[in-house]
Amino acid sequence: AQSVAQPEDQVNVAEGNPLTVKCTYSVSGNPYLFWYVQYPNRGLQFLLKYITGDNLVKGSYGFEAEFNKSQTSFHLKKPSALVSDSALYFCAVRGPSGGSYIPTFGRGTSLIVHP
Amino acid sequence: KAGVTQTPRYLIKTRGQQVTLSCSPISGHRSVSWYQQTPGQGLQFLFEYFSETQRNKGNFPGRFSGRQFSNSRSEMNVSTLELGDSALYLCASSLNSAGQGAGEQYFGPGTRLTVT
Repeated sequence: AQSVAQPEDQVNVAEGNPLTVKCTYSVSGNPYLFWYVQYPNRGLQFLLKYITGDNLVKGSYGFEAEFNKSQTSFHLKKPSALVSDSALYFCAVRGPSGGSYIPTFGRGTSLIVHP
Repeated sequence: KAGVTQTPRYLIKTRGQQVTLSCSPISGHRSVSWYQQTPGQGLQFLFEYFSETQRNKGNFPGRFSGRQFSNSRSEMNVSTLELGDSALYLCASSLNSAGQGAGEQYFGPGTRLTVT
């Protein structure tokens, strides 16, 4: 069975500082990895995904993520955080579980960017 | 393009009742997936419909059911509501089946269901 772990319930960072939201996964075979963001009272919005190729993936709003196969990680990063980045971030993995690629989501990490 | 829409946005029901939630996917998307989001369990996959057929199903009891119409709109039904069914129910659409390929999903704003 596939699984996703987001080890931090909350990440605090000052505006202008770099941010990292961590994600590790467990899956059989080659995974597809995703990051989504959820603002209050809203659905999830797609940020970026890794399918294959370059380990550094660039996405929306200046976010990027680094795929590390040996560490089974897919950490979300941004060089300079904005207060408006404060939201709930979800990592998701899709792997060939029983022939299906149904996504499994992490529990979410609350990012708080302080002015 | 209009996004994924869900109706109603908020719903209050009594234990034992049933409820139907509706989702309209992005135009051209044939896959609709349903998720339950709670603080305790996070985001859990309920089921997916693609071209009017249920393609995949999560680990939820039979009280949870759904269907998809020819225009790709989908409904989710929960019968005999329990207090634990209180949650945010999210609908997501995608071009291809969620069980195939690497396409991202587009989520609606959700329906907040409260069971009293």
